[in-house]
Amino acid sequence: EVQLVESGGGLVQPGGSLRLSCAASGLTFSTYWMSWVRQAPGKGLEWVANMNQDGSEKYYVDSVKGRFTISRDNAKNSLYLQMDSLRAEDTAVYYCATNWKSGFWGQGTLVTVSS
Amino acid sequence: QTVVTQEPSLTVSPGGTVTLTCASSTGTVTSGYYPNWFQQKPGQAPRALIYSTTNKHSWTPARFSGSLLGGKAALTLSGVQPEDEAEYYCLLYYSGTWVFGGGTKLTVL
Repeated sequence: EVQLVESGGGLVQPGGSLRLSCAASGLTFSTYWMSWVRQAPGKGLEWVANMNQDGSEKYYVDSVKGRFTISRDNAKNSLYLQMDSLRAEDTAVYYCATNWKSGFWGQGTLVTVSS
Repeated sequence: QTVVTQEPSLTVSPGGTVTLTCASSTGTVTSGYYPNWFQQKPGQAPRALIYSTTNKHSWTPARFSGSLLGGKAALTLSGVQPEDEAEYYCLLYYSGTWVFGGGTKLTVL
């Protein structure tokens, strides 16, 4: 059974940093493109970033470029999202997901940016 | 700023058929946009339904189908069930990045 488990969410002040993790099991993690998707409270889904299998390709939505960094450790079957210079508008549930053809999603972790 | 547009809400009767659409501000949606469709129920994570325009996942009920229709991506539900009441999101590809539509709230009434 494929499982994606996000962690690392919490309350952080504006301007602060947070690192999200996504632990994958039940799949050959190193063969998958991976993405982060977020959902602000009561709002729709927003694709945030993705990266290819070896990390040589990374893409970001414009609103997080220069502030967020996606990375992975294939030896640990883990995906990460380093979030710096956080803003109130980054408040959301953050989901990790495999490539869309495979279609697996985690249950999400809540990030709240507030003073 | 690329915008992907979906109907904000639709209502369908049980057993009926409904088509949700997904339009791009850049023009006609083609297979090269690799349209995806997701279902989300309150308090749950999204669930993938369709990838690359027409392809179903192993868990996707047969009553769901994807297509291109009138310059848009489309998701058709045939023989709608009460449990299909949910928010539906499309996702399109733009040169390395992806953009979700705003979602369609489907009510089964």
